[in-house]
Amino acid sequence: QVQLVQSGAEVKKPGASVHVSCQASGPTVTSDYIHWVRQAPGQGLEWVGVFRPGADTTTYAQKFLGRVTMTRDTSTSTVYMELSSLRSEDTALYYCTRDGSHWEFDYWGQGTLVTVSS
Amino acid sequence: QSALTQPPSASGSPGQSVTLSCTGTSSDVGRYNHVSWYQQHPGTAPKLVIFEVIKRPSGVPDRFSGSKSGNTATLTVSGLQAEDEGDYYCCTLVGTDWVFGGGTKLTVL
Repeated sequence: QVQLVQSGAEVKKPGASVHVSCQASGPTVTSDYIHWVRQAPGQGLEWVGVFRPGADTTTYAQKFLGRVTMTRDTSTSTVYMELSSLRSEDTALYYCTRDGSHWEFDYWGQGTLVTVSS
Repeated sequence: QSALTQPPSASGSPGQSVTLSCTGTSSDVGRYNHVSWYQQHPGTAPKLVIFEVIKRPSGVPDRFSGSKSGNTATLTVSGLQAEDEGDYYCCTLVGTDWVFGGGTKLTVL
């Protein structure tokens, strides 16, 4: 059974950066693509980007280009998402989720609340 | 604005069937079988209920079924139960980006 455990809630000031981690356990974690999806309060789901192990490649949604970076620590099976130049509109629950290889997200982390406030 | 259009709300009585639609274009929903559906209850992470348009993950009741016609994918929930109430999102790959629909709030009357 795959499990994705995320880091705790963060409160940041506008202009700052935030790092959110997602530690995976279970079968095939070293080769799993990990996506990040966010959900602003009372709003829908929004795809942020994907980290692909192996070649360590990434694809980011257009609106986050230049502000988001996804990396991995192989030794701990942890994927990180850094979002910089934070603004109030970035306040959201950030989820990591596994790409199940059939064009779906089959396992999800518990979510990390990032609050941007002065 | 989402590239996938979902009605904001739907409702049905226990035991009834309800269909939720997700409309894209001939370049995404109409062309590929990459549509998945997610159920979300308040305060919890989304849960996969349908993938590749029609496939159901193990553990998801067979009351949930998916289909597609043209540029519109549909999630049908048969024999509605109280626990089916929640938000439902469709999702597909558009170019190199994944896109979610705006979501449909399903109310069980």
